[in-house]
Parts: sequence; structure tokens; C-alpha cells
Amino acid sequence: EVQLVQSGAEVKKSGESLKISCQGFGYRFNSYWIAWVRQMPGKGLEWMGIVWPADSSVTYSPSFQGQVTISVDKSINTAYLQWSSLRASDSGMYYCARLSGGNWGFDYWGRGTLVTVSS
Amino acid sequence: DIVMTQSPLSLPVTPGEPASISCRSSQSLLHSNGHTYLNWYLQKPGQSPQLLIYMGSNRASGVPDRFSGSGSGTDFTLKINRVEAEDVGVYYCMQALQTPYSFGLGTILDIK
Repeated sequence: EVQLVQSGAEVKKSGESLKISCQGFGYRFNSYWIAWVRQMPGKGLEWMGIVWPADSSVTYSPSFQGQVTISVDKSINTAYLQWSSLRASDSGMYYCARLSGGNWGFDYWGRGTLVTVSS
Repeated sequence: DIVMTQSPLSLPVTPGEPASISCRSSQSLLHSNGHTYLNWYLQKPGQSPQLLIYMGSNRASGVPDRFSGSGSGTDFTLKINRVEAEDVGVYYCMQALQTPYSFGLGTILDIK
């Protein structure tokens, strides 16, 4: 069974760093793109960027370029999203999602990691 | 960047009645390979989004056949032919033609 298991909720203060994770199970991790999607409280979905685990190549949305870092450790089938200095505006739910073969949509999603940043 | 515009923002529906959601993109989503990169997702309350429709009109695995997607170029429609109580949530269209991928703002479907 395909699963994307995300790390637990985080409560941080402004200026702190954070790295959240998304581990894939039940499929060949290196063969599917993994994306990160933000959902701010009560708002819609925002595509942040996407990583190809096989060679760690990343494409960022311009809205998030320079604000976050997406990376992957293929030895443990895990993708990461990290911040070097959090802001209160980074508070929200962060989902990872697998892009199906042939770019046929995000077919599997993690349950989300809730990030709360206090100022 | 491609901008996705959905309507309506809110859609109250009586169970058993049909529902329709429109999505328009700021540029054609037709790729030179002949595929149209438009997906529909449903986010049920308290849950992660789930894929309903890919390539504009193909139902994802396990999606009931009361859901259908249509359209081409820049104009797309998601239809539910008989709404059930379990269909409540926020529906999003998303373009996957080019990065950055982008979502519409969402349509909230609720039961009258």
C-alpha cells in the first residue's frame, strides 16, 4: 500500500529553524516526483515546489524560492521541507504529495504537518 | 504563471441534485503531446486533498462515476450528476502544464 507519512506537528518561534519530513512507503520512491503544498489557515492550496528523488533536482514556485529548501534523502525514501528562519506567516498546514506517473495528478497525499509559528 | 479561476465560490446543493463547478485557466492547458493537464481535487473537511479527475476528464482510481470532468483549452467543468452527503468539501482545479503548478481558489460544496 502506498503511503506518505509526514512528521508531526511543530510549534516554533519566529527566527527558529525547522525541517519537516515526508517518508514514502509501498512504492519505488526514486521513480515519482514529490511536491510540497501549503495551506494557510482557512485558505486554499498553494504549490511550493517539487523534487525528483533520483537526482534531488528541485523546482520551486517563485513565491517560495529563497524562502524554503526542499531536499530528499533517497536512502531512507524521505523528502524534506525546511526553513532557516521561520516567520509567523509560515504558520499553516504543509502537505507532501506524489505525482503519478505521466504527470496524471497528485495521486497520494500525506496527512499534513501543522506548523505554528509564534512571534 | 498560469492563473486558475473557479466559480462559484460556494455551491449549496440538495442531495440527489446535480452540481457543476467551472474552472478557467489564463492560458491553454493543452500540451503539444495532445494531453490536457487539468486536474480536480476534493478536500473533505479535516482531510488531505484527494485526486478526482486527471487530464481533464479521467476519473482517478476509486472515484465514483457520478463525477465527471470535461472541457478543453482554457475552460473546464466538473460535474456531479447526483450529489451525496459525502461529497461535501472544497473542490479545487489545478493546472499541471507548467511549473509553478497552480490551484484555483476552491469551491465550497455543502448540503442544503
